[in-house]
Parts: sequence; C-alpha cells; structure tokens
Amino acid sequence: DAGITQSPRHKVTETGTPVTLRCHQTENHRYMYWYRQDPGHGLRLIHYSYGVKDTDKGEVSDGYSVSRSKTEDFLLTLESATSSQTSVYFCAISEADTQYFGPGTRLTVL
Amino acid sequence: GQQLNQSPQSMFIQEGEDVSMNCTSSSIFNTWLWYKQDPGEGPVLLIALYKAGELTSNGRLTAQFGITRKDSFLNISASIPSDVGIYFCAGPLFTSGTYKYIFGTGTRLKVLA
Repeated sequence: DAGITQSPRHKVTETGTPVTLRCHQTENHRYMYWYRQDPGHGLRLIHYSYGVKDTDKGEVSDGYSVSRSKTEDFLLTLESATSSQTSVYFCAISEADTQYFGPGTRLTVL
Repeated sequence: GQQLNQSPQSMFIQEGEDVSMNCTSSSIFNTWLWYKQDPGEGPVLLIALYKAGELTSNGRLTAQFGITRKDSFLNISASIPSDVGIYFCAGPLFTSGTYKYIFGTGTRLKVLA
C-alpha cells in the first residue's frame, strides 16, 4: 500500500466553522490531489498540487483552499463549512501516471 | 465532469463464477488503472496497464489494455465473497503540467455465497 495517511478520519462540525483536513505521504511523490466523493457523483477533483507551493483548482473548488508547504503534506481547508460540504474526502498521490488513494475522511457538517 | 463508460453498472454473481467488466472511452489513454473500493474505505489500486494490448494479472484478477487504447477489461476468476465492492477504471491525462484522472462510473459487484 502507498504510504498515505489522512487525518482526521471522521469529523463532525457545525455550519460556519473552519475545518482543515490533512494528507500526509511518505512516498515523496510530486503530485497530490484532493477529491470529494458523493453518491451519484463519483470522485470529483477539488484541488491539486504539482509541487511545493504549486497548487491549482479542480472542478469543484468553490469554498475550499489548499496549501502545500512541504512535499509530504497537503492541507485542505474549508474556510466556513456548509452542509453541502458533507462528504467523504480522499487524498491521492502520483509521481507519474499512476495514482494512489488515502483512506478517506468522512466529514459531516450540521 | 468527464467520465469513462463502464459496464455492467452492477452484477450479482454466484461464488466461484468468473466476472468480466469493461471500460470504454472516446479518448485515447496511454495508461489504464483499475481500482477496487470497499465500503468506508479508499480506492485500492489493483492493476495498472501501460501498453496497448498488454495483459496483466494480479492473483485472480486479469486486466487488458485494449489495442485501440480506448478501452480496457477486467476479469475476476473464481469469485469469492470478499470480492464484493465497487470496481472502477481510471485513465490519466497529462494537461497543464500535471496528471488529471478520468474515472469510470463503477461496477458494483455482489457475490452470493
């Protein structure tokens, strides 16, 4: 298994609060990604990173921001959580064209 | 967003049976990836294919990279109850300096003991 951990694994929060999810890799892969997975929508790309401090938006980036200050860490922040952001969030890494996923974070926004 | 066409969408099979599923695209891919996702877990990479026509096995799983580079197939032989889950394909596209992945719609497999 690829060395990817996500924290927390589960979180319940209230609308309007900030939330930060962390992805940590031990593989030294260049590319890192954040997806959300919802019933009927499959995996949708939120943001991705192609190097330290190099990030860009995916298809569903509104309401999310990211940071990557070290190769191994990629943070996803919900500045002010909304109920529509209740989802399962997956981090993924790749060095070339093969992608590996983390175990996921289940986020519930009440 | 763009998705790969995957079939069947779901299937019930008896334990011991062989299973086949496929993934098709209108675009050419240079790599095909097959994942399995169990409930509450992250997708796990089963097989990666890097060359048109390539046939690769991983235990009871065999996958093929279609010769046209627009399709791929996954076969599971002698299915067992733990094969239950969602299987999906993925293809990477290198665009704007990074790899982005297109995912299949998924095949939900249910195995009857």
